[in-house]
Amino acid sequence: GEDVEQSLFLSVREGDSSVINCTYTDSSSTYLYWYKQEPGAGLQLLTYIFSNMDMKQDQRLTVLLNKKDKHLSLRIADTQTGDSAIYFCAETLSNDYKLSFGAGTTVTVRA
Amino acid sequence: DTGVSQNPRHKITKRGQNVTFRCDPISEHNRLYWYRQTLGQGPEFLTYFQNEAQLEKSRLLSDRFSAERPKGSFSTLEIQRTEQGDSAMYLCASSSNQEIEAFFGQGTRLTVV
Repeated sequence: GEDVEQSLFLSVREGDSSVINCTYTDSSSTYLYWYKQEPGAGLQLLTYIFSNMDMKQDQRLTVLLNKKDKHLSLRIADTQTGDSAIYFCAETLSNDYKLSFGAGTTVTVRA
Repeated sequence: DTGVSQNPRHKITKRGQNVTFRCDPISEHNRLYWYRQTLGQGPEFLTYFQNEAQLEKSRLLSDRFSAERPKGSFSTLEIQRTEQGDSAMYLCASSSNQEIEAFFGQGTRLTVV
C-alpha cells in the first residue's frame, strides 16, 4: 500500500525487545493491524487496534497508536528466534473491508 | 474447520496460457477476498465478494482477470493469456460479518515463464 509505510529491515538480539514502526496517511482509518508472515506460510493476524485507542497489550505484544502523527508501532518483548518473520502493518478505512498493507518489515533475530 | 484452503499451492505456466486458482474459505464466512503479493511487497487488494456478489474490484484486476463465487462458498480466480508480470503469490482470505479478523490461506504461487 502506497499509504502505509514501514522500515524494511530490523535485526535484534534474542531476548531484547523489537520495535517495528509504521506510518499511515489516511485519517479515516478505522482499524490498524499487525500481520506476521513466515516463509512458505500465509499471513497470520497478530493483533489489531481500533483507531480511537492509544495502546493495546497482548502478552508479549504492545501496540501503540499516535493518531496525531499517524504512527503505529509494534513492540515484541523478549524476542525469540521464532519471531523471525516479515511483519506487515495494515489498515482498513471507514465503511470498507479491504486491507491496505505496508511493504513489510523483515525481522531477523540473532543469537 | 481447516481454515482457508487454496489450490494449487504452486503453478508454473507458459506465457499466454490460462490459469485458474481455487479458494475454499472458512465455512460460514460470507466475505471472501483475493490479494496479490509480489516479492518484497505487501499484499495488494484485487477483489471482494459478499456471499456470491462481487462488490468491489481493484484497478489491478485487468480484463484478463476474472473471479467468481457462484454459490457463495468457494471462489475461483482465472487469469487469461498470462504474462510474466502476473508472476506473484495470489492470496485468498475470508471473514464473517461479526469478526474483525480476515483469515488468510497459504496462497498460490504463480510463475509465468
